[in-house]
Amino acid sequence: DGGITQSPKYLFRKEGQNVTLSCEQNLNHDAMYWYRQDPGQGLRLIYYSQIVNDFQKGDIAEGYSVSREKKESFPLTVTSAQKNPTAFYLCASSIRTGPQPQHFGDGTRLSIL
Amino acid sequence: QQPVQSPQAVILREGEDAVINCSSSKALYSVHWYRQKHGEAPVFLMILLKGGEQKGHDKISASFNEKKQQSSLYLTASQLSYSGTYFCGTEKGNNNDMRFGAGTRLTVKP
Repeated sequence: DGGITQSPKYLFRKEGQNVTLSCEQNLNHDAMYWYRQDPGQGLRLIYYSQIVNDFQKGDIAEGYSVSREKKESFPLTVTSAQKNPTAFYLCASSIRTGPQPQHFGDGTRLSIL
Repeated sequence: QQPVQSPQAVILREGEDAVINCSSSKALYSVHWYRQKHGEAPVFLMILLKGGEQKGHDKISASFNEKKQQSSLYLTASQLSYSGTYFCGTEKGNNNDMRFGAGTRLTVKP
């Protein structure tokens, strides 16, 4: 079955550490997205990518980095510069052309130890 | 850039109707609606393009008023399964650059 896989489901980080969240899709989608979800604030866009080797910042990109070396993969690194990283992170993908539905993964919950 | 949703929360009895609104200060190209149940991923409901169209999905429908930069989601004869948080997402252009509202928590009680 086609879909988006995020791993791990739960992640704990010590202060000062970088951590990388994985997002893999087998839907053959060109566009991929990372959102952060905090209680009462909805989904806020961190980064998105429309094609391989290209990505754009969203509204809250500071303290995060991404890469898009393969069409299927869009990992997100939460760096030590992100002062409040505790949140639920959602990855999504869509067909690139035209307004298209976004398909979401099940998310990764990141917590500070 | 995030659209504004209202109300923030609504509680219904089974069979009652609800309307969720989504408005933007910018001209919109499209509006998306998603539903997220607690602890799960958001699930796509429908997309509306500029042109003032209205769409339906079972007993859930939506409208898009391009001039007012607003969209409304209509839930009629609500069922227990409708419970969840509803998000609207808006695009200003055809560029995959979408922003989501803060969500409306809908609770349907027996």
